[in-house]
Amino acid sequence: GAVVSQHPSRVICKSGTSVKIECRSLDFQATTMFWYRQFPKQSLMLMATSNEGSKATYEQGVEKDKFLINHASLTLSTLTVTSAHPEDSSFYICSARGGRTQETQYFGPGTRLLVL
Amino acid sequence: AQTVTQSQPEMSVQEAETVTLSCTYDTSESDYYLFWYKQPPSRQMILVIRQEAYKQQNATENRFSVNFQKAAKSFSLKISDSQLGDAAMYFCAYHHNTGTASKLTFGTGTRLQVTL
Repeated sequence: GAVVSQHPSRVICKSGTSVKIECRSLDFQATTMFWYRQFPKQSLMLMATSNEGSKATYEQGVEKDKFLINHASLTLSTLTVTSAHPEDSSFYICSARGGRTQETQYFGPGTRLLVL
Repeated sequence: AQTVTQSQPEMSVQEAETVTLSCTYDTSESDYYLFWYKQPPSRQMILVIRQEAYKQQNATENRFSVNFQKAAKSFSLKISDSQLGDAAMYFCAYHHNTGTASKLTFGTGTRLQVTL
């Protein structure tokens, strides 16, 4: 099956610093990748959609200068949380779709971010 | 806009028994996909089953099957011979293909407990 990796799995940083999260599709070419945020006991909230080689499309209310997304290749997308603050602490999940099943998203294992 | 409703916040089933999780959705489209994802305590989102709306036959994957009622816009998940490892949060999701802009719409989830 399609495998998506995410790194790091956990990160703790100081307020004001930037954190980069990587999302990779390991065995397929991901034409589209998605970034979600999940609060405890809630569903996934889509932050942005990125297509390889083009600018990401952000959902309403998500600050694009705060959450920088780069989708430089068909297997890698990165999310950078810039000048992180405690309220950015959350669980971030990426997903990817591509190959034969263009409508199916495969998810990474998630990244737990804690900003002190 | 499409919406997905999961009316059961929590469900419980005894090991080896059968349980059905409900999901309804609202759409004006005729061609779409429906999914069930499982999120265990590890928080990794795992694809359980998918259904193409144009197929009348209900999808099955081992112990997991769906009851897809297109006219009623209902998409329930049946888990047979429940196992302890089935304990997780289950999310129903809808996808309508609009090209690169298409995305998943998730329900609020149902937490499934499996008891001995």
